[in-house]
Amino acid sequence: QSALTQPPSASGSPGQSVTISCTGTSSDIGGYDYVSWYQQHPGKAPKLMIYEVSKRPSGVPDRFSGSKSGNTASLTVSGLQAEDEADYYCSSYGGSNNLIFGGGTKLTVL
Amino acid sequence: EVELVESGGGLIQPGGSLRLSCAASGFTVSSSYMSWVRQAPGKGLEWVSLIHKSGDTTYADSVKGRFTISRDDSKNTLYLQMNSLRVEDTAVYYCTRSCGAYWCFGYWGQGTLVPVSS
Repeated sequence: QSALTQPPSASGSPGQSVTISCTGTSSDIGGYDYVSWYQQHPGKAPKLMIYEVSKRPSGVPDRFSGSKSGNTASLTVSGLQAEDEADYYCSSYGGSNNLIFGGGTKLTVL
Repeated sequence: EVELVESGGGLIQPGGSLRLSCAASGFTVSSSYMSWVRQAPGKGLEWVSLIHKSGDTTYADSVKGRFTISRDDSKNTLYLQMNSLRVEDTAVYYCTRSCGAYWCFGYWGQGTLVPVSS
């Protein structure tokens, strides 16, 4: 199965909102509610930000939210802060005991 | 506190074998869904393998038949046996513990680098 499609980059000014998309197919994103989002700062391990489309793990600010429509999932970061600058990866269960990641989006806080 | 510490990485020649270890603390590996996820230098994330609580295992097509995931309950440790290594297996390998649903990764180790090169 192919990787999920994410824009290579996104940006916003402090305080603004930015949305990152993640497009798949009816065999992955469209077929299951097992979409997750990860934040990765340079040289660090990824951190889970959203799971099961829109659930936030304990400790993740409510500025981060997730949603899904059809074959596309989205991560919205509201009230952008400097520390939100990082790479973001989406993932989805792809059926047949397989998990697929997106190619990643570099978020820049201007 | 949950902690995952990987070890075993290092330079290996194509065709060689390597075993990665992931020592867990703060929880029981046998009661969790555990996965290995890798990241090639400068590239994105790739799921490699998962072991269920039951002991059942599943693999990405790219490593099926070459890699084996296992655990030692007495040592609370996860392993990844990697055989017939290829240059394209070069990556940082992360040990992860799933969150509530097993297809999400709530806890990550610091990663161990496996360069495959002659």
